[in-house]
Amino acid sequence: ETGVTQTPRHLVMGMTNKKSLKCEQHLGHNAMYWYKQSAKKPLELMFVYNFKEQTENNSVPSRFSPECPNSSHLFLHLHTLQPEDSALYLCASSQEGDSLYNEQFFGPGTRLTVL
Amino acid sequence: GNSVTQMEGPVTLSEEAFLTINCTYTATGYPSLFWYVQYPGEGLQLLLKATKADDKGSNKGFEATYRKETTSFHLEKGSVQVSDSAVYFCALADAYNQGGKLIFGQGTELSVKP
Repeated sequence: ETGVTQTPRHLVMGMTNKKSLKCEQHLGHNAMYWYKQSAKKPLELMFVYNFKEQTENNSVPSRFSPECPNSSHLFLHLHTLQPEDSALYLCASSQEGDSLYNEQFFGPGTRLTVL
Repeated sequence: GNSVTQMEGPVTLSEEAFLTINCTYTATGYPSLFWYVQYPGEGLQLLLKATKADDKGSNKGFEATYRKETTSFHLEKGSVQVSDSAVYFCALADAYNQGGKLIFGQGTELSVKP
């Protein structure tokens, strides 16, 4: 595997279900991100992890719970979601500290549908 | 705060037409500017970047010039192909004010017809 991978690619869940999204980066980076992409809206940054520590939580509802067990893996645990949470969830990684800007590498995303 | 504004899509062009997608930004510092592309069913890929004023980023026939005086970073291509059909995102990163986090525009969908 190369780059950033995400599983599953598609997920349909009911509002009472609990599910998890998984992201893995094979680039040796030290920062990972979750974004939400909804139709016709800018990408919304949800969470940032640097060196496994959460450094950003952009007022995300508690029904989304991130977990970063090591610098290569990032999870997004989902429970009691709402239909408006249906979106494409993108994971990205970057190498913090090498330069003034962070080139982020994105995974293909998980298309989530909440019924 | 920092922000990015892109022209609304969708943009529909015939093959070999000239492409311009406008992007303007607001930033308090000295941002780096990016164009990302998202092909159908895929994640975002970095297309090109510019890190200081008057820099020109280029890749795959696409170009964009960092214009500080007009706070713009318009994307251009002289002759588009059907394979260029995708969503294009303009973004900025300001290391001194927002820790280098990427701020994205809303995306512009491009559809190229044969």
